[in-house]
Amino acid sequence: KAGVTQTPRYLIKTRGQQVTLSCSPISGHRSVSWYQQTPGQGLQFLFEYFSETQRNKGNFPGRFSGRQFSNSRSEMNVSTLELGDSALYLCASRPREVGANVLTFGAGSRLTVL
Amino acid sequence: QKEVEQNSGPLSVPEGAIASLNCTYSDRVSQSFFWYRQYSGKSPELIMSIYSNGDKEDGRFTAQLNKASQYVSLLIRDSQPSDSATYLCARGGATNKLIFGTGTLLAVQP
Repeated sequence: KAGVTQTPRYLIKTRGQQVTLSCSPISGHRSVSWYQQTPGQGLQFLFEYFSETQRNKGNFPGRFSGRQFSNSRSEMNVSTLELGDSALYLCASRPREVGANVLTFGAGSRLTVL
Repeated sequence: QKEVEQNSGPLSVPEGAIASLNCTYSDRVSQSFFWYRQYSGKSPELIMSIYSNGDKEDGRFTAQLNKASQYVSLLIRDSQPSDSATYLCARGGATNKLIFGTGTLLAVQP
């Protein structure tokens, strides 16, 4: 059974650009969450999607957005990149919306903003 | 006050010793708690979950939860160099999202 797949694994952008990251959850998992991980702040919750609907949102500016498709694959977008957006972006999936909060993480997309 | 607090470490223990990792949380309504292990350059992986007061054992790992004191800990018995990693404590809540601590770096010395 394939795990959570994130693409791209590494990317470098410059300030002001935008970036789109992709996440394919474990087959059968319908909930996808996104987290930002930085050395100073640790893992911070961005948003969660279930059945193509955003169910939860963290305290990030509107430059951070996401969506989920009918096949449960999810994308997140960051517009007008800032240096502080450099981070590891982790996607996690779980099988259902309600129940144990057991997340399985993907390998992450490491974004560097120059 | 952060919602989930952990000592960043590093916590250094000799091989074969017991490593004790601690975590406190501020939200009294939290019902579920998790310990994730993250090796350098890798993604977090779940090692323990605990929902009730008391101890939960799984192999060399024991999670302890004290809701009255808002405290959760992870004990690793017979620590091995392969246990060297960052250990992340997380709590779940009504909204299903997990709130993570910043992690404790554990170094097991051979």
